[in-house]
Amino acid sequence: DQQVKQNSPSLSVQEGRISILNCDYTNSMFDYFLWYKKYPAEGPTFLISISSIKDKNEDGRFTVFLNKSAKHLSLHIVPSQPGDSAVYFCAASATTSGTYKYIFGTGTRLKVLA
Amino acid sequence: NAGVTQTPKFQVLKTGQSMTLQCAQDMNHNSMYWYRQDPGMGLRLIYYSASEGTTDKGEVPNGYNVSRLNKREFSLRLESAAPSQTSVYFCASSEIPNAEKLFFGSGTQLSVL
Repeated sequence: DQQVKQNSPSLSVQEGRISILNCDYTNSMFDYFLWYKKYPAEGPTFLISISSIKDKNEDGRFTVFLNKSAKHLSLHIVPSQPGDSAVYFCAASATTSGTYKYIFGTGTRLKVLA
Repeated sequence: NAGVTQTPKFQVLKTGQSMTLQCAQDMNHNSMYWYRQDPGMGLRLIYYSASEGTTDKGEVPNGYNVSRLNKREFSLRLESAAPSQTSVYFCASSEIPNAEKLFFGSGTQLSVL
């Protein structure tokens, strides 16, 4: 039972355009969400997060949107750059449980074309 | 500042062999985690340790044991390796109560033949 789903395994975007990566979740107890970027042969690195009390969080070229009613979040990258080519994972946690256990999605491979 | 260090980086085992994956963090974090990454499956939590002295099962704990040796170190043991345990293993840590982000090691590529 996949609690966090990334239904698009891959995405190709032209340099300078917007990249939109999507993530859906099923557990209504999740209240904290993160996005990670992973390059080959490296560990994932933290990108941006959002709490369920917000519906948007921005950090430079990266913006995460949260739609709680739809149990959906998305990561927007504007403008996309070739260095953004990586696998992106969304993750969710039910922090009120006190366990800080993060459940990850299956990842979306983003390719930014020069 | 090394962050999260995993050893070894690569390992090949025969079915039935045992081994321990080591993880150490130098950020004084309270919580540590072990994940495995398989194609099409993303990152799945094996075990985690919310604080020194405690460990709990994650999504896929079968076939594994863990030890939180001290605040810095969290090891993952395969007692009798199986081909289904061929995977890339990542250790991570986070600071409680501000567990906003996990910091990952660079991974251990394990093949079980």
